[in-house]
Amino acid sequence: DTGVSQNPRHKITKRGQNVTFRCDPISEHNRLYWYRQTLGQGPEFLTYFQNEAQLEKSRLLSDRFSAERPKGSFSTLEIQRTEQGDSAMYLCASGWDRQHTEAFFGQGTRLTVV
Amino acid sequence: DAKTTQPTSMDCAEGRAANLPCNHSTISGNEYVYWYRQIHSQGPQYIIHGLKNNETNEMASLIITEDRKSSTLILPHATLRDTAVYYCIVRVGRNGGSQGNLIFGKGTKLSVKP
Repeated sequence: DTGVSQNPRHKITKRGQNVTFRCDPISEHNRLYWYRQTLGQGPEFLTYFQNEAQLEKSRLLSDRFSAERPKGSFSTLEIQRTEQGDSAMYLCASGWDRQHTEAFFGQGTRLTVV
Repeated sequence: DAKTTQPTSMDCAEGRAANLPCNHSTISGNEYVYWYRQIHSQGPQYIIHGLKNNETNEMASLIITEDRKSSTLILPHATLRDTAVYYCIVRVGRNGGSQGNLIFGKGTKLSVKP
């Protein structure tokens, strides 16, 4: 297993377009997390899944954002009608649903909205 | 979750110990201290966590003061590869939950110099 995999690594899109990112977690992990990170800031939590159920969503996750994890394995994060303020690194992490077990992060997808 | 305060940046000579402080004066009794680091262009990586006792693992040591209002992460023999942003996070140890839904601050940028 090569860890958490995110695709694409980079995405440039025009304002108003829709984009979708994919995250493949470590295969046996039942928790999957999405974060956003802008330049010079720490990662900001967006949402997480346990298996296929989305259990928590941050206020940062506007109506234009939707995340799915249909079979409890990989996950997608879609942003509709992108805005320049959506430009950021989108990070995915996976882990167990056991207390204090660490979260393993992918290398992220860098989105640039022009 | 309690707020943490960390210096913006620190330098350390290669081979010397790096001591990274963190203040968390509003920490409550059931909140743990977690440390992650983020090397440039990578996702965050778990280092260590603790409640009130000092902890050590293969990466680092965590020293928590008796009143738990501050802690220090120690990298005993820093190498150039330890150059990264180090995040101190205080969080309730939720039953059944892993560390994934974390609140990151801006962290400390540690530069290890030859």
